Amino acid sequence: AQTVTQSQPEMSVQEAETVTLSCTYDTSESNYYLFWYKQPPSRQMILVIRQEAYKQQNATENRFSVNFQKAAKSFSLKISDSQLGDTAMYFCAFMKGYGGATNKLIFGTGTLLAVQP
Amino acid sequence: DAGVIQSPRHEVTEMGQEVTLRCKPISGHDYLFWYRQTMMRGLELLIYFNNNVPIDDSGMPEDRFSAKMPNASFSTLKIQPSEPRDSAVYFCASRRDRGSYGYTFGSGTRLTVV
Repeated sequence: AQTVTQSQPEMSVQEAETVTLSCTYDTSESNYYLFWYKQPPSRQMILVIRQEAYKQQNATENRFSVNFQKAAKSFSLKISDSQLGDTAMYFCAFMKGYGGATNKLIFGTGTLLAVQP
Repeated sequence: DAGVIQSPRHEVTEMGQEVTLRCKPISGHDYLFWYRQTMMRGLELLIYFNNNVPIDDSGMPEDRFSAKMPNASFSTLKIQPSEPRDSAVYFCASRRDRGSYGYTFGSGTRLTVV
């Protein structure tokens, strides 16, 4: 079974600084996808960034980027130039590759990020 | 696109009452998922549908929970009878069949059973 581990329950960062959230996962699959979701106080789950395991290049979306280390099964999220609006719970998630019962998103326990003014 | 629409946003009910949560997925999405979020257990997948057919309901906690998807644009999650331990935020999500797309979530229903 796949598992996703986020070892940092809470983090804090100053506005305009950079912060990195950690995520590790365990799987025997070779084809899979990884995601970071953001859940602000409004509780809406918002997709931040996604990574295909077969791609070596790390995904980037504006101020958000990932460091994907497939051999180490690590998928960290870097937020540059942190903004107050980035304050939220961040969830790392795993999904097996296409085919069969592969559509389940398995979530980590989340990291609560507070951006301080 | 209006996104995934859930109703109601909040629900407060008394123990023993029947509760029905509703979801309208994004048009064209083949998969629909129901998740439950609690502080203790995080995000748990309850059940998911593919083309309106339930595929995996292994996450449904017990027989008090049931879910239906009578057509491609509507799904319900029903709890009968409700118990205080069912208090949680219930999310509906949908996705397309192909590719690496993640889910699109609704805004959730906060259920409180007193």
